[in-house]
This record gives sequence, structure tokens and C-alpha cells, in this order.
Amino acid sequence: EAGVAQSPRYKIIEKRQSVAFWCNPISGHATLYWYQQILGQGPKLLIQFQNNGVVDDSQLPKDRFSAERLKGVDSTLKIQPAKLEDSAVYLCASSLVASGIGDTQYFGPGTRLTVL
Amino acid sequence: GDSVTQMEGPVTLSEEAFLTINCTYTATGYPSLFWYVQYPGEGLQLLLKATKADDKGSNKGFEATYRKETTSFHLEKGSVQVSDSAVYFCALRGGGSYIPTFGRGTSLIVHP
Repeated sequence: EAGVAQSPRYKIIEKRQSVAFWCNPISGHATLYWYQQILGQGPKLLIQFQNNGVVDDSQLPKDRFSAERLKGVDSTLKIQPAKLEDSAVYLCASSLVASGIGDTQYFGPGTRLTVL
Repeated sequence: GDSVTQMEGPVTLSEEAFLTINCTYTATGYPSLFWYVQYPGEGLQLLLKATKADDKGSNKGFEATYRKETTSFHLEKGSVQVSDSAVYFCALRGGGSYIPTFGRGTSLIVHP
């Protein structure tokens, strides 16, 4: 079974530029998550999708971050414009169960973003 | 809000030593508790979980027991190997909200 795919693996941009990350979850997984992991901290949830609808985006900085999951499969996360403090690893995860608190999340390898 | 506190790392051990990584949590309600492991250059993967009080999660020789009275979920292994070197994250979900909450992670380094 293929895992969660993310691209690119690394990205370096200058502040005020825009950037987009792509995620393809495990086939058949209804729920998709985007996390931000700043160096030395645990992952912080940015947004959770169930199929193509948003379940929770309360921690997404909506003035600069946006995400979509068209057709309920793959997803893109965009930052525009980027700030220095956005330097982090962006993790995508998926799970089979739509809303179970005990369900297992499967993580992709992440995209490391450096903002100069 | 919900929070998870893990012991500071790095934890440095010799092969075959006993491992304990402490994790305590603050949450309302009855959360599910998780340990994730991140090997160098890889994504997080679920190591074990427990969904109710007194449950014991176990996998690959690692164990953790959900202790509601002490709000703890400490990770243990009787004999660590060099291949266990990784960063370990304690997490919860379903306390005050359904948002997954992670600790800062604890780096484990095992020497031969």
C-alpha cells in the first residue's frame, strides 16, 4: 500500500513570496490533515478535511494561508505572502475513519520550508 | 485548552538499557492517547495508542499505560536497540476538542 505522498521535499523562498505544497493521501482515506512543525516543537494542526469539506481550520492563519481539497482526494496548502516565522516542516497526514478520536493518522515525509 | 508535556531530551542510553520517556497531559473529557515515532528523514508513524483509562498500548517492545489518576502516558521499553534512535512524540485527541495535540518530542540516542 502506497503511503502519503508530499512534494516538494524542500523549498527555499524569500519573504513575501508565495509557495504551495501538495499532498496525496492514502487511497480511500476520507480525512486529510495539514500540520506545521516548527523546529523543536510538536506538530500543530492547521486544517482538517473530511472528503472535500473543512472540519476544522481554527488554527490556520487565514490572512496568508489557504488550503483546498478538490474532489476529496489530493490537497494543496498555500502561503501568500510568506514570513520568516513560516519556516517549518509542513506535514500532511490522512486517516481512514472520518471522525474517530482513536483513529490512526498516517503521515507523509513532510516539506521543509525555509523563508529567507 | 488541551496540552501535552514531555520530558526534555535528548535521552542518551547504551544498548540494552531500560527506557522511560515521561508524558503527562491536561485535557477535559476522556481523550485518546498516542505515541508517535519519527526516524531520521522520515515522517511520523504511530507507535502505540490507548483509548480509555487503564488501557495498555504496546508495539515493538514498547509499552505505555493510560493513567487517568496521574494524567500520564509514559513510554517504556525494557531493552533498547541502536535502531530505536529517533524522536518520540506523545499526543492526545478528544479531550476538550477533536484537534490532535502533540508534545514537543523527545530525542532518543542509543549507543552500541
